[in-house]
Amino acid sequence: DAGVIQSPRHEVTEMGQEVTLRCKPISGHNSLFWYRQTMMRGLELLIYFNNNVPIDDSGMPEDRFSAKMPNASFSTLKIQPSEPRDSAVYFCASAPGWGALTFFGQGTRLTVV
Amino acid sequence: AQKITQTQPGMFVQEKEAVTLDCTYDTSDQSYGLFWYKQPSSGEMIFLIYQGSYDEQNATEGRYSLNFQKARKSANLVISASQLGDSAMYFCAMREDGSNFGNEKLTFGTGTRLTIIP
Repeated sequence: DAGVIQSPRHEVTEMGQEVTLRCKPISGHNSLFWYRQTMMRGLELLIYFNNNVPIDDSGMPEDRFSAKMPNASFSTLKIQPSEPRDSAVYFCASAPGWGALTFFGQGTRLTVV
Repeated sequence: AQKITQTQPGMFVQEKEAVTLDCTYDTSDQSYGLFWYKQPSSGEMIFLIYQGSYDEQNATEGRYSLNFQKARKSANLVISASQLGDSAMYFCAMREDGSNFGNEKLTFGTGTRLTIIP
């Protein structure tokens, strides 16, 4: 099992540019999560999908952020336009079902200059 | 109120000693799960151990055990015979099941940075 795969691992972009982060969950997992980790706010949930449907997006900071899950094996998190305060590590995670364990990808370190 | 509280920002422990990382939680749900994750300097989040609220036995995984005290709402991680490779950030997290079937999101504490001294 390859685990949760995120790309890119590192992204440096200029303020105002569009950024797209990608995630491939573990095969067979029904739930997918996007988390953000910063020094100030720690680890916080941005959005959560179950069976490709967004269940809870209350953590999405603002309209500049959007997430999609077009199929069970792929999700994207897009920031447009990006701002320096978006600099963080973004984790994708997946779980096989209710009450099951959550496994994390290796994260994408985003730097917006 | 914080849902997950980790009161130890940093800890230094001599190699081969046991270490306890504290975690207290706050929930009104009867059904919930408690997790510990390890984050080494490379940045990935590694699952260590899980305890369900209805589990009567404390969870154990190799050198890791979870000291679950439900009445006190604590879920401390115990690492026995610490090793240099245990140096990392450790996060406690909770999943509240509540009445929202399928709510699987995790709420994390602020973490404890553990440093093992040779």
